[in-house]
Amino acid sequence: SAVISQKPSRDICQRGTSLTIQCQVDSQVTMMFWYRQQPGQSLTLIATANQGSEATYESGFVIDKFPISRPNLTFSTLTVSNMSPEDSSIYLCSARPGGNEQFFGPGTRLTVL
Amino acid sequence: KQEVTQIPAALSVPEGENLVLNCSFTDSAIYNLQWFRQDPGKGLTSLLLIQSSQREQTSGRLNASLDKSSGRSTLYIAASQPGDSATYLCAVEDNDMRFGAGTRLTVKP
Repeated sequence: SAVISQKPSRDICQRGTSLTIQCQVDSQVTMMFWYRQQPGQSLTLIATANQGSEATYESGFVIDKFPISRPNLTFSTLTVSNMSPEDSSIYLCSARPGGNEQFFGPGTRLTVL
Repeated sequence: KQEVTQIPAALSVPEGENLVLNCSFTDSAIYNLQWFRQDPGKGLTSLLLIQSSQREQTSGRLNASLDKSSGRSTLYIAASQPGDSATYLCAVEDNDMRFGAGTRLTVKP
């Protein structure tokens, strides 16, 4: 298994500002994943972050809006840029420390006013 | 494109009842299927992972089955408890991981 932590757990932000979410895994992992869960919805994959290379973004998500860093094998950040109320969601990071089982962080609840 | 459907969307049962949650998927060429639990406003907790070559997995009061050919999985919860109240999500992995919308379970004392 894996223990994944995220900071902040929640935030309330003003329109037009940016927020960086941090994700820490307690073991080294090749890939980390960032998801968004809008109110009442299921999870949507934003991007896959590999250490040492550019993140791979899913359709509908772009690097300018959601820049991702992956400086080492245990850490990643997701920035939500130039926020609008439509960005209000829970943002979740996840990883697979070994095998196929995927583990998730506790999520960051973002509210944009 | 893989689509994952969970039925019912919500379920309310009295404590002690056995129950079944359903998950269906459109493309049977999957690597694995995973069941998660999500408490309100929280992240996901992995419950069971079934590899494509497996038919079921068990953990405590939980049993998950997989029938790839029919594109179905079930999560069986025995002797339900109020602490089981949560949203249960299934996710299938082919080249990507696709989530269902979840079943919101309420177990009434």
